[in-house]
Amino acid sequence: NAGVTQTPKFQVLKTGQSMTLQCAQDMNHEYMSWYRQDPGMGLRLIHYSVGAGITDQGEVPNGYNVSRSTTEDFPLRLLSAAPSQTSVYFCAIKGSLSNTEAFFGQGTRLTVV
Amino acid sequence: KNEVEQSPQNLTAQEGEFITINCSYSVGISALHWLQQHPGGGIVSLFMLSSGKKKHGRLIATINIQEKHSSLHITASHPRDSAVYICAVLGSQGNLIFGKGTKLSVKP
Repeated sequence: NAGVTQTPKFQVLKTGQSMTLQCAQDMNHEYMSWYRQDPGMGLRLIHYSVGAGITDQGEVPNGYNVSRSTTEDFPLRLLSAAPSQTSVYFCAIKGSLSNTEAFFGQGTRLTVV
Repeated sequence: KNEVEQSPQNLTAQEGEFITINCSYSVGISALHWLQQHPGGGIVSLFMLSSGKKKHGRLIATINIQEKHSSLHITASHPRDSAVYICAVLGSQGNLIFGKGTKLSVKP
């Protein structure tokens, strides 16, 4: 997964706390995205971006905010964490919207208590 | 009906067995991506294919675009092959659509 750096790897939050998951890439890819992975559900798209200054909602956007001020960074913000947001989060990048090949960050295991 | 269906959901095999994991999709695609995820680990790319067959070591991936079906085969399976295998296709909006994964456990 060289080229996509995702931090932190683990995090425990209390209900109502806020935090930001970081995703940085050095591959100059246009497309960046955030997924959550839950047992039996597969990977579900939270938000994505096709370039700096452009973001859009995915399948499960509620409770999450994103911004894309640079090509390299795509942070995911939880403004008020809820136990339902306990999940494993992955950042993924692609060359463009029309590319199928994706590269993933190492994942963040988030627990909200 | 999910746009990307994988089967089986869970698979247990003995070391050395030949393994097949299937992926069927209902959306039109240009390519399909097979991914591997070890327990507690990240997601890594195995194959990208848009036609025919690809081979890498003991792993073989095939795709039939007309039938909208792909298979991932593992020959001479080994306990280190134990992982979740995920297929993904490109949806109409340009976002990836993932199967729910096949959890493979290879016993020594």
